[in-house]
Amino acid sequence: KNEVEQSPQNLTAQEGEFITINCSYSVGISALHWLQQHPGGGIVSLFMLSSGKKKHGRLIATINIQEKHSSLHITASHPRDSAVYICAVRLVGGSQGNLIFGKGTKLSVKP
Amino acid sequence: DTGVSQDPRHKITKRGQNVTFRCDPISEHNRLYWYRQTLGQGPEFLTYFQNEAQLEKSRLLSDRFSAERPKGSFSTLEIQRTEQGDSAMYLCASSKGTSGGTDTQYFGPGTRLTVL
Repeated sequence: KNEVEQSPQNLTAQEGEFITINCSYSVGISALHWLQQHPGGGIVSLFMLSSGKKKHGRLIATINIQEKHSSLHITASHPRDSAVYICAVRLVGGSQGNLIFGKGTKLSVKP
Repeated sequence: DTGVSQDPRHKITKRGQNVTFRCDPISEHNRLYWYRQTLGQGPEFLTYFQNEAQLEKSRLLSDRFSAERPKGSFSTLEIQRTEQGDSAMYLCASSKGTSGGTDTQYFGPGTRLTVL
């Protein structure tokens, strides 16, 4: 079993829909990252969370440490949001460099 | 452009050949990371540097892999005697090195390696 699990693996939405991507982890963490990867490989860091909730534009990320679960929400989705969204965690007491990644959720937003 | 850059972006090589990739981090970042990503999977950690010191290596980094960051700026990742299983996207990232779990990594575009 992977230490970081994401769901769904693939998600197709219509433009304007509210989107939720989930991440569950089975280990103690010091931080959780949400990353966006576009076709061709470029990865952009969206959020880093250790508790609570963060918002940036149409993106909202939440984390529940007790339940070991995080969600990434996209409001008023747009075709340009189409990408792979990756959850990654840093273990408690773990190396500063060593992130453990989920397999990603491939989002496709249709116009 | 002041982001993380990687060179080359694509590399096709024959099995058994050696390849070397370069990563130039954001200039004020003292941490540099290498990851490998195969198709349909998330990235996997390979190694990271704090300045010129290589602080951690994954068990994925076999004897055929070596990484250096000689002056604490750019880094190279060399794969000797490439195998078809080495085909992947090799990603580099850098960060300032802040403590307390607040360190954000910035990723480069990656080098896609294809071993024939």
